[in-house]
Amino acid sequence: EVQLVESGGGLAQPGGSLRLSCAASEFTFSSYTMHWGRQAPGKGLVWVSRINKDGRTRSYADSVKGRFTISRDNAKNTVYLQMDSLRAEDTAVYYCARSYEWGLDYWGQGTVVTVSA
Amino acid sequence: QSALTQPPSASGSPGQSVTISCTGTSSDVGAYDFVSWYRQHPGKAPKLLIYEVNKRPSGVPDRFSGSKSGNTASLTVSGLQADDEADYYCSSYAGSNKMLFGGGTKLTVL
Repeated sequence: EVQLVESGGGLAQPGGSLRLSCAASEFTFSSYTMHWGRQAPGKGLVWVSRINKDGRTRSYADSVKGRFTISRDNAKNTVYLQMDSLRAEDTAVYYCARSYEWGLDYWGQGTVVTVSA
Repeated sequence: QSALTQPPSASGSPGQSVTISCTGTSSDVGAYDFVSWYRQHPGKAPKLLIYEVNKRPSGVPDRFSGSKSGNTASLTVSGLQADDEADYYCSSYAGSNKMLFGGGTKLTVL
């Protein structure tokens, strides 16, 4: 069974940084594009970022562009989200997900990020 | 990058059908056949129901169907069951390797 396990969430101060990881297993990780999405408390899903199979093509939502960086290590079957200059509005559950024809067919359980002084 | 527009709520009785709409623009929903639908139960991760407008992943029952006309996509849930009570989200490819989600629809099974 495909598994995606996020980690790295926690409490950060405004202006601070966090690095999220998503460990993948039970599928050929290097063959799939991966995404990060988030969901603020009581709110809807928001797409955050995407990275293609070899890591050469990356895209971001306008709200995080210039502050967040997505990367991947295919040898470690892991995708990352480096989050810098964090703001209160970045508080959310962050999910990684596997892409299939622009549908996200497998999701992790999420990791909670709280940005507060 | 504005979110796709979904009705905040929908409802139906067990066994009935309900349709949820997802309205975008000619730059996203109207431009590409990459509309997906997800179901999310409280505290759980989303689950993919439909991709590429009307295709179902393996294991998703045919009670779930999708369609698109112009800038509006729709999800129809037939034969409503108690477990269908959840939040439903649409998404669409929006060009430049970006994706948009809808605001979500809370489906209540009466």
